[in-house]
Order: sequence, then C-alpha cells, then structure tokens
Amino acid sequence: QQQVKQSPQSLIVQKGGISIINCAYENTAFDYFPWYQQFPGKGPALLIAIRPDVSEKKEGRFTISFNKSAKQFSLHIMDSQPGDSATYFCAARIGGGADGLTFGKGTHLIIQP
Amino acid sequence: KAGVTQTPRYLIKTRGQQVTLSCSPISGHRSVSWYQQTPGQGLQFLFEYFSETQRNKGNFPGRFSGRQFSNSRSEMNVSTLELGDSALYLCASSVDRHYGYTFGSGTRLTVV
Repeated sequence: QQQVKQSPQSLIVQKGGISIINCAYENTAFDYFPWYQQFPGKGPALLIAIRPDVSEKKEGRFTISFNKSAKQFSLHIMDSQPGDSATYFCAARIGGGADGLTFGKGTHLIIQP
Repeated sequence: KAGVTQTPRYLIKTRGQQVTLSCSPISGHRSVSWYQQTPGQGLQFLFEYFSETQRNKGNFPGRFSGRQFSNSRSEMNVSTLELGDSALYLCASSVDRHYGYTFGSGTRLTVV
C-alpha cells in the first residue's frame, strides 16, 4: 500500500518559471512532511519540511503548502533555475518516527534554459 | 562539519554471498537509519538504530540485519544475496528521530 502518492512523475519547466510538485497521503498519523532533492550519484538532501499545524512554509525560493483536511502537500519552486534540475521526493513520518520516512516515488524535474 | 560517510561506494557481489556496508554518521548524531533505493520500489525504510538499539524495522526479510556501535557508527548486513537486492543503500543520521535526517551518498550494490 503506497501511503504517499507523488505527482507528476516528470516535469519540464522553463527557466524562471514555477515548478509545482504534489503529494497526497493517507495515514493521518503522519506529523512531519519533508521534501528531499537528489542529484545523480548523491543521496537525498533535505530541502524544506513542514508540520501539520502550519499551512505554508517558505525558505528562499522553496515553499511548502499544506492542506491538512485534503491530506495533501505541495512543493513550489519559484524562479526555477537549471541547477534545480534533479529528482524531488516528498516524504512523511509518523509521530515519533518509529517507522522511518515513507517516501513518494519521486519527480524528475528538468529546468530548460 | 563532515557529512554522513558510507563505505564502500560501489560493490559487486555474487548471488548467495553476504555483504556488509558501513555508515559513519555526523558527529553528535545518535540516530542512524538505513534505506534501500531501487528504480521500481523507490526509497524504502530498512531499519533505524539509536544508542546501539534497533528501534524499528521495515518490511524486509530477515536476511537484512544491522547493528550500531557505541560511537554511533552503523553497519548493515545482507546474507544470501539475491539479484533483487541490487540497489543503492542509503544511510541517514539525525540527532534524534524528531529531527531531520542527513543522508550519505550511498553504497551501490550490484548482485550478479
């Protein structure tokens, strides 16, 4: 059972545009929602994270929007740059983290110059 | 500040063999988690250690095991390797489970 569904699988955005990646979850016990960025040959790197008591969190060009009632959260990358081209993963963790992170399947993002 | 170090970076093993992978967490991090990454299944949680104790294990067979030492360094072992075990194995460390995880670059295991 896939507990975190991520879309789209791949995304092409023009330089300077807004990249939007969406995730939906099923388990209401999740209380921590991070986004990771992964470049080829590297491990995932934490970009930004949010907890369900907040509807939006912004760090630089990266924003997480969180909708608790819809059980959805999304990553917005403003002013997308070619260096943002990578695979992005959303994840969720149950309170206490005992079961580790549950990841979405990933989105391969390409920013065209 | 040094990141999470995983060794070796690449490994080729034959079916039926066993393998041990090593992870050195960031200094001061006592929680170490392991994940398997494959194109088909994505990133899947293997297990987590904190202060030398396994706190939880993901849905993997008993051939997958691990341990953590008093200096927080961790090893994972896979016995009786199968072709399907070919994957990128990632280690992540954290101060504790309530904080964010920092991943290493992984060990690429190929089983032939």
